[in-house]
Amino acid sequence: EPEVTQTPSHQVTQMGQEVILRCVPISNHLYFYWYRQILGQKVEFLVSFYNNEISEKSEIFDDQFSVERPDGSNFTLKIRSTKLEDSAMYFCASSVGGTGNTIYFGEGSWLTVV
Amino acid sequence: AQKITQTQPGMFVQEKEAVTLDCTYDTSDPSYGLFWYKQPSSGEMIFLIYQGSYDQQNATEGRYSLNFQKARKSANLVISASQLGDSAMYFCAMSFKAAGNKLTFGGGTRVLVKP
Repeated sequence: EPEVTQTPSHQVTQMGQEVILRCVPISNHLYFYWYRQILGQKVEFLVSFYNNEISEKSEIFDDQFSVERPDGSNFTLKIRSTKLEDSAMYFCASSVGGTGNTIYFGEGSWLTVV
Repeated sequence: AQKITQTQPGMFVQEKEAVTLDCTYDTSDPSYGLFWYKQPSSGEMIFLIYQGSYDQQNATEGRYSLNFQKARKSANLVISASQLGDSAMYFCAMSFKAAGNKLTFGGGTRVLVKP
């Protein structure tokens, strides 16, 4: 069964360092998302991406964050200068279409900023 | 604004019994989708079941069924014949056409299945 894959599964980084989280969405999917979940809290939407551009972003997704689909298969989330409060599980997700289509999640990337 | 509420922070269920997890929502958008996800202790987010706002019948997927009561704006998940592996966090989530299909999650319900 096709699945969304994410790397790395865990990453520890120093505050102020840049981090890139990578995702390979399901191959025929057209909509891509990043969500994050701070430990013990609810899952929060960060950004959605369609047709090679951001379609929506939340207030969390500030100038420190960026997304890219560099080669038609990978979908990356970059955090330019990490802060302690960026420590969270980051989920990539994808869906074949818009409303009414199931959104499938990857296994997540645990980011710890020290 | 859209809002998803899961009022049960945690619950115990006896193995082999059924359990109902509550989810209520608030939206004025007529077109929306309802999802349930399972998050085991390992952290991944596993899709369980989907219900569209225009679907006439309640969704079922194996031991999972969704009790969709549109007038009451509720979308409760029923897990039948609970198994020890069902112990996990369960999230209700919704997507709204007006919100570009992004998911809004409830706070989750932690289920612990007792042998």
